[in-house]
Amino acid sequence: EPEVTQTPSHQVTQMGQEVILRCVPISNHLYFYWYRQILGQKVEFLVSFYNNEISEKSEIFDDQFSVERPDGSNFTLKIRSTKLEDSAMYFCASGRDRDIQGYTFGSGTRLTVV
Amino acid sequence: AQTVTQSQPEMSVQEAETVTLSCTYDTSESNYYLFWYKQPPSRQMILVIRQEAYKQQNATENRFSVNFQKAAKSFSLKISDSQLGDTAMYFCASYAGGTSYGKLTFGQGTILTVHP
Repeated sequence: EPEVTQTPSHQVTQMGQEVILRCVPISNHLYFYWYRQILGQKVEFLVSFYNNEISEKSEIFDDQFSVERPDGSNFTLKIRSTKLEDSAMYFCASGRDRDIQGYTFGSGTRLTVV
Repeated sequence: AQTVTQSQPEMSVQEAETVTLSCTYDTSESNYYLFWYKQPPSRQMILVIRQEAYKQQNATENRFSVNFQKAAKSFSLKISDSQLGDTAMYFCASYAGGTSYGKLTFGQGTILTVHP
């Protein structure tokens, strides 16, 4: 069964450093998403991406965040200057179409900012 | 805007028994979907069951079924014959069609513990 792959599974970074979280969506999917889950809390939408541009973003997704699909296969989330409160599980998801069919989550990247 | 509320922070059940997790939602959209996701200790998000709002029939997937009450905006998950592997955090989520590009809105989650 096709999977959404996220790397690394766990990343530790120092406060103020830039991090890039990587995702390889399912190959025929066109819609891409990032979600965040702070430990013990609910999963929160960050951003959706379609046709090489952001479709929708939440208020969490401020100027320190950016997304990119640099080579047609990877989908990345960059956090420019990490803060302690960015420590969370970050999930990538992809969908075949806009109507949520075949929507699949990756296994997540645990980001720890120290 | 959509909201999803899970009012049970924690639930427990004995193995082989039945448990029901509650969820209420609010949306102004007429076309929407509702989901239950399971998050085991590995923290992966696993789709358990999905319900299209336009379908009156409640969705069923093996031991998992939902009670979808559209007028009451209620979407509960019933787990029959509970197994130890069902121990996990369960999230209710909604998706609205229209202009939303696949954005899921999640509830706060319910921690389910299945006891032997």
